[in-house]
Amino acid sequence: GAVVSQHPSRVICKSGTSVKIECRSLDFQATTMFWYRQFPKQSLMLMATSNEGSKATYEQGVEKDKFLINHASLTLSTLTVTSAHPEDSSFYICSANPESAASTDTQYFGPGTRLTVL
Amino acid sequence: AQSVSQHNHHVILSEAASLELGCNYSYGGTVNLFWYVQYPGQHLQLLLKYFSGDPLVKGIKGFEAEFIKSKFSFNLRKPSVQWSDTAEYFCAVRVSGGYNKLIFGAGTRLAVHP
Repeated sequence: GAVVSQHPSRVICKSGTSVKIECRSLDFQATTMFWYRQFPKQSLMLMATSNEGSKATYEQGVEKDKFLINHASLTLSTLTVTSAHPEDSSFYICSANPESAASTDTQYFGPGTRLTVL
Repeated sequence: AQSVSQHNHHVILSEAASLELGCNYSYGGTVNLFWYVQYPGQHLQLLLKYFSGDPLVKGIKGFEAEFIKSKFSFNLRKPSVQWSDTAEYFCAVRVSGGYNKLIFGAGTRLAVHP
C-alpha cells in the first residue's frame, strides 16, 4: 500500500528558531500533499495544500510567512515553522494523494511530527 | 462553511457490544465521505469511503457505514467490537471542487474493555 513518511517524528526547539518537517511519499508520486495540525484531543485542521512546482494554497487564518511550504518534487514536501513560539507546539501531519487517476480519491497520511517549542 | 459533526467524543464499550458512531455534515452539494481510524501511536488509516452507488459501504475490519443523504449523515457501525478496535475514529468530508481537501470531524475516542 501507499506509504507516507515524516521526519522527524519528534522535535524540541527553542523559541525563535525555525524547524523543518519533511513529508515523503515512499512508493508513489504525489502531485498534491496536505499539511494538517492536530491539537490535543482535537481533530485535524487543514493548514495548506501543497502543489508540486507551484505555490501552496493556505487555509484561512494560516500565516503563510510563518508556515513555509515547499513541494519541490513529486515525492517530497517540507513545512518550515519559522520563528517558532510555544503556541506553535502541536502535532503536524501530512498526507498525500497518489498521482495516478485511479487512486486520486484517497489520501494517505504520514505518522505525524510532534513539535514542542520551549 | 462546510463542517463535520461527530456527536460522541468518548465511547466506552465492552467487547462484543455493537457500535454506532454518528457523523453529520453540513453541505448541500456533492460530497465524498470517509471514516479514518487512528490507533494509539499510529497514523491515520482509511476505514471506508463513500463516493456513489450503494449507500451502505463496507470497510475493513468488519466496519460499515451508511450514507443517508436526507439526513446528511454517514454513521459508522460495527456489530461486535473487539478490544483491538480501541482507537480514535474520524469522519471526514470532501466537497466537490474542493481540490481533494478533507474536512474532519472532531473525532470519537473509543475504548473497548475486555
